[in-house]
Amino acid sequence: GENVEQHPSTLSVQEGDSAVIKCTYSDSASNYFPWYKQELGKRPQLIIDIRSNVGEKKDQRIAVTLNKTAKHFSLHITETQPEDSAVYFCAAREISGAGSYQLTFGKGTKLSVIP
Amino acid sequence: ETGVTQTPRHLVMGMTNKKSLKCEQHLGHNAMYWYKQSAKKPLELMFVYNFKEQTENNSVPSRFSPECPNSSHLFLHLHTLQPEDSALYLCASSQDLLDRTGELFFGEGSRLTVL
Repeated sequence: GENVEQHPSTLSVQEGDSAVIKCTYSDSASNYFPWYKQELGKRPQLIIDIRSNVGEKKDQRIAVTLNKTAKHFSLHITETQPEDSAVYFCAAREISGAGSYQLTFGKGTKLSVIP
Repeated sequence: ETGVTQTPRHLVMGMTNKKSLKCEQHLGHNAMYWYKQSAKKPLELMFVYNFKEQTENNSVPSRFSPECPNSSHLFLHLHTLQPEDSALYLCASSQDLLDRTGELFFGEGSRLTVL
């Protein structure tokens, strides 16, 4: 099955600086890579996703890049703000033997933005 | 009420108790999921239901028993649990089985403590 590795596990940045979180995946058949943000005590929420037919996607201060050859994808947050502090999870979609679709998540990165 | 609602938000139970977690979604989705979230571990998929039919059981111990009476409601029945089962249990839904839209909508979770 799919295996997703996420680094770093914790990340502290000064407000205004950029933050980068990296993930690698093992299954070359995976074709969908979402990022979820979970604030303390709250539910995980999708913030951005990318499909395997594109290499980069941006949404205001957030961008995701995908390198299919190397099987890694990254989340980039620019001009970080205190409200960006949260745990971020990457995930990859695999297709299981029965033809169903599962999301395999990374272990998460706790981002702290220091004012 | 909108979104995905889980009850109870917190539950403490002994190893011999029987309890149930409830999830309700008001999004008109067809697929529902149970995930387990433990500290420093990836989100673990437990069960998947599509149109009330169970499509995935990721080798979950039989002390966890899911029930999906209709597309809007999902239960997780718990009995003779172990302390290592203490975790946040997240319910999620998606429009379909992640083959098109891809986005999971999570509830806020039920924090379970097994004594």
